[in-house]
Amino acid sequence: QKEVEQNSGPLSVPEGAIASLNCTYSDRGSQSFFWYRQYSGKSPELIMSIYSNGDKEDGRFTAQLNKASQYVSLLIRDSQPSDSATYLCAVNIPGAALIFGKGTTLSVSS
Amino acid sequence: EAQVTQNPRYLITVTGKKLTVTCSQNMNHEYMSWYRQDPGLGLRQIYYSMNVEVTDKGDVPEGYKVSRKEKRNFPLILESPSPNQTSLYFCASSLSRRITGELFFGEGSRLTVL
Repeated sequence: QKEVEQNSGPLSVPEGAIASLNCTYSDRGSQSFFWYRQYSGKSPELIMSIYSNGDKEDGRFTAQLNKASQYVSLLIRDSQPSDSATYLCAVNIPGAALIFGKGTTLSVSS
Repeated sequence: EAQVTQNPRYLITVTGKKLTVTCSQNMNHEYMSWYRQDPGLGLRQIYYSMNVEVTDKGDVPEGYKVSRKEKRNFPLILESPSPNQTSLYFCASSLSRRITGELFFGEGSRLTVL
């Protein structure tokens, strides 16, 4: 069973703090990794993609990938109340569908 | 405006009454896919299409049909809906069949089967 695991949360952080969201995956052959943000009642929106080991930064967001540990994370710096949402980790498994984790709910308090 | 359009957005129907949820994208994307989202189960893929006339099953295809006769359209057909198909459905598309993880999602269709 190919799986993508995330803590469901809620993860609560104060405004201005760093939010750290984690994801592990079971298939060592996975090559592509994605983070989606989903506001309540809305559709998922792609915020980061990462394809190689290391860090990838985009504004306040940093995605980190460690293929040896089968681990991908998303850091949100200077968290804002508008970042409160569910964050979905997704993994492209070769020859199979894009597998989504169940999501981590983030709550940023002002 | 680049978008994926789904219709209807909301639908209540009864068991056994055939229905179609339409999906259309205006971005000339190769790859299209249908997902359902259920509490506690997350997003699960129903069917996907790499290009015109090419479709394949995802994780939960039972009870659904799809077709891809034109590049822009990818309708989801429920021939005989049952209550366990009550769910929130999303259509999504991606520019290339080689980068299928960078998805644009439609707004979703909430289906209730009584």
